Amino acid sequence: EVQLLESGGGLIQPWESLRLSCAASGFTFSTYAMSWVRQTPNKGLEWVSTLTNGGTSYYTDSVKGRFTVSRDNSISTLYLQMDSLTADDTAIYYCASNLQYGGTWSGFFDSWGQGTLVTVSA
Amino acid sequence: EIALTQSPGTLSLSPGERVTLSCRASQSVSSYLAWYQQKPGQAPRLVIHNVSKRATGIPVRFSGSGSGTDFTLTISSLAPEDFAVYYCQQRSAWPYTFGQGTKLEIK
Repeated sequence: EVQLLESGGGLIQPWESLRLSCAASGFTFSTYAMSWVRQTPNKGLEWVSTLTNGGTSYYTDSVKGRFTVSRDNSISTLYLQMDSLTADDTAIYYCASNLQYGGTWSGFFDSWGQGTLVTVSA
Repeated sequence: EIALTQSPGTLSLSPGERVTLSCRASQSVSSYLAWYQQKPGQAPRLVIHNVSKRATGIPVRFSGSGSGTDFTLTISSLAPEDFAVYYCQQRSAWPYTFGQGTKLEIK
């Protein structure tokens, strides 16, 4: 059974940093592209970042230069380093695996963690 | 950025009814569209990908169709567990985007 378990969320002051982790199990983590998706009541679901199994990373514009996605395949863990956080980054952050389809990774998300809440507030 | 507009915002229906949800893209997304189901307090769950492919474990009462800019998700006979919020998502272009959701509520 696929399991994704996020951790690292919490209350943080504006302009500070936070690192989220996502521990994966139940599948061959190293062969999957992985993503972060966030959700707020106002903006809904928002794709944040994708890291392919080959190490290529993609970001939505609003986090480029501030967020860094990385992975440690030896411990099946995905990370999201978030710097210079603002109130607009307040959200539930989900870790998700990218669907493999047609022999390659796709931009759809077939397994999700339970999410971790990040609140940026003074 | 490709905007996805879902309609209607909310639907009130009874179990057993047939329902069709709509998702319209601001520009063509070809066949790169998915649907997710989200229940309160839970993460989204992939229902349909590539317009019409059911995800693993999804019942056959769920079907998707469309191409280009107009897509639909149909549930042929609503089960009690189907009442949730449904989101569409495109992966045709960066950034990937989601619709704002359609809420299915029990009448």
